[in-house]
Amino acid sequence: SQQGEEDPQALSIQEGENATMNCSYKTSINNLQWYRQNSGRGLVHLILIRSNEREKHSGRLRVTLDTSKKSSSLLITASRAADTASYFCATVVMDSSYKLIFGSGTRLLVRP
Amino acid sequence: DAGVIQSPRHEVTEMGQEVTLRCKPISGHNSLFWYRQTMMRGLELLIYFNNNVPIDDSGMPEDRFSAKMPNASFSTLKIQPSEPRDSAVYFCASRRVGDRGTEAFFGQGTRLTVV
Repeated sequence: SQQGEEDPQALSIQEGENATMNCSYKTSINNLQWYRQNSGRGLVHLILIRSNEREKHSGRLRVTLDTSKKSSSLLITASRAADTASYFCATVVMDSSYKLIFGSGTRLLVRP
Repeated sequence: DAGVIQSPRHEVTEMGQEVTLRCKPISGHNSLFWYRQTMMRGLELLIYFNNNVPIDDSGMPEDRFSAKMPNASFSTLKIQPSEPRDSAVYFCASRRVGDRGTEAFFGQGTRLTVV
């Protein structure tokens, strides 16, 4: 079963605008990660935020984590057409397995 | 490093046939995942190995699916007999176990079509 649910399922924006994607999860986590998937390709890791962190930045990416609400958001600033892809959150559950469970993903389209 | 290597990239087979998907994780990684991706069900975790030992196979759909990891550099996912509903993209991913914070590295996937 999927741990995370993301919204929106699809997002279409103009180049230069910001894109915000949200992820909710169900169980306690050790950390939360965001991945990107281009059509027909494998997933690529973008950024990781630990359960004791609230915000993290990497280039044009900003991730927030609210463990009380069991939710996270990914903000992509000044979007580019090349950012067009699907974005997934993934949680490392707080148990001995450290398995990685993915959400349902958000399909982002950045129009040039 | 060449990354996680999966083979074949594409597989078309007839219903009832045996299918074997292969994965070579990144050298030094000792944690390996098999995922299945479909439009309807998204990215599902099938099975997870740590140090070549299956830790969680609760995502394996049914007895037709089996996975092995005979050594640290090779894993297989076998479907016998295959059915049309098994059509999906199957991903293998690896990471370094023991460090809960590390990212997973994905292969390019095997697109399986069962006709």
